[in-house]
Amino acid sequence: GNSVTQMEGPVTLSEEAFLTINCTYTATGYPSLFWYVQYPGEGLQLLLKATKADDKGSNKGFEATYRKETTSFHLEKGSVQVSDSAVYFCALTRDTGRRALTFGSGTRLQVQP
Amino acid sequence: ETGVTQSPTHLIKTRGQQVTLRCSSQSGHNTVSWYQQALGQGPQFIFQYYREEENGRGNFPPRFSGLQFPNYSSELNVNALELDDSALYLCASGTSGSSPYEQYFGPGTRLTVT
Repeated sequence: GNSVTQMEGPVTLSEEAFLTINCTYTATGYPSLFWYVQYPGEGLQLLLKATKADDKGSNKGFEATYRKETTSFHLEKGSVQVSDSAVYFCALTRDTGRRALTFGSGTRLQVQP
Repeated sequence: ETGVTQSPTHLIKTRGQQVTLRCSSQSGHNTVSWYQQALGQGPQFIFQYYREEENGRGNFPPRFSGLQFPNYSSELNVNALELDDSALYLCASGTSGSSPYEQYFGPGTRLTVT
């Protein structure tokens, strides 16, 4: 079956530091990959996506590249801000069938001023 | 365009009771999915509805059931509540046939079972 594995948190960084959150997946075929962000007390917001190998998703300074050879989709940002503090979820979905999202367990990011 | 909305925001129920959670999909979307997010975990897929019929279910028992209405609003019903049902319940809407299939989430309903 499909599964997503994320690095455990919390990840604590100082403002303007470089961020990497690792994500690897197991899936048959060619899934679409997503990063969602959840701010305290809120639902999930789609941060970025990629649909095929070597695609790079980007949004709000965050980037992730779909690496089929390593089955990875690591999230990166060059300079984090306090406002980036949240829980980040890596997820995948097949583009056929019911297309339910399979999520990782989430990584909490804390950015200190 | 309006986003996905859910009601109520919070709910407290007693073990054995029944609960109904409600969701209003984003304008133009024709599918709705429900997810359960336990504290400190990622969301788990419960089921999806399309054209008012269930279109796939995750590993949840039949006491979890749902409805989708012609206006694409939706309900999640849980019977015989158990303590482990305490979680954040998320509704997500999308458009069947879109590629990639993106889902947009509501703010969730926090259910506490005592």
